[in-house]
Amino acid sequence: GQNIDQPTEMTATEGAIVQINCTYQTSGFNGLFWYQQHAGEAPTFLSYNVLDGLEEKGRFSSFLSRSKGYSYLLLKELQMKDSASYLCAVRDSNYQLIWGAGTKLIIKP
Amino acid sequence: ETGVTQTPRHLVMGMTNKKSLKCEQHLGHNAMYWYKQSAKKPLELMFVYSLEERVENNSVPSRFSPECPNSSHLFLHLHTLQPEDSALYLCASSQERGGAEEQFFGPGTRLTVL
Repeated sequence: GQNIDQPTEMTATEGAIVQINCTYQTSGFNGLFWYQQHAGEAPTFLSYNVLDGLEEKGRFSSFLSRSKGYSYLLLKELQMKDSASYLCAVRDSNYQLIWGAGTKLIIKP
Repeated sequence: ETGVTQTPRHLVMGMTNKKSLKCEQHLGHNAMYWYKQSAKKPLELMFVYSLEERVENNSVPSRFSPECPNSSHLFLHLHTLQPEDSALYLCASSQERGGAEEQFFGPGTRLTVL
């Protein structure tokens, strides 16, 4: 079966750095997405990785290792508004998105 | 604002009711999706439409019936639902189905079945 694993919940301090991991086992790979979802709101796109390596976008970076079936989302200089759920999703060989259950990130002052 | 709107935002219905969820996208996209999001579970893809043609139906019970009259509108018709159908129903759109472009999500309809 296809599976996306990510931690259920993480806590970090304002101003710090946090890394949210995602491991996947899917039938084929055609890209990995990270989305942010604030409580009661729509998921919004953060990043897309299809090749190995690090993609940096402001305070957020996403890393991919296809050989390890592994990705992480790195958030720097955390702000209170970063408190949200972070969803990892992989596009499989049929170009269908397989979603993780999301990681709820709690930021403390 | 993502360019995808959904109505209603909240819906409470009995098991014998019939209701419809509406989604509209203002992005000129060709693909639209219905997802079910339950607490602490991954997003479940229910239906995919590409150029108004249903291309995926992931073993969804027949009490959920989608309709896509044009590329900008998507409906989910509900009838004789069960309490376990209570969830957040999200609509999304993308330029193409299966492309590298991201999906844009609406704010969702929070459905409660009594």
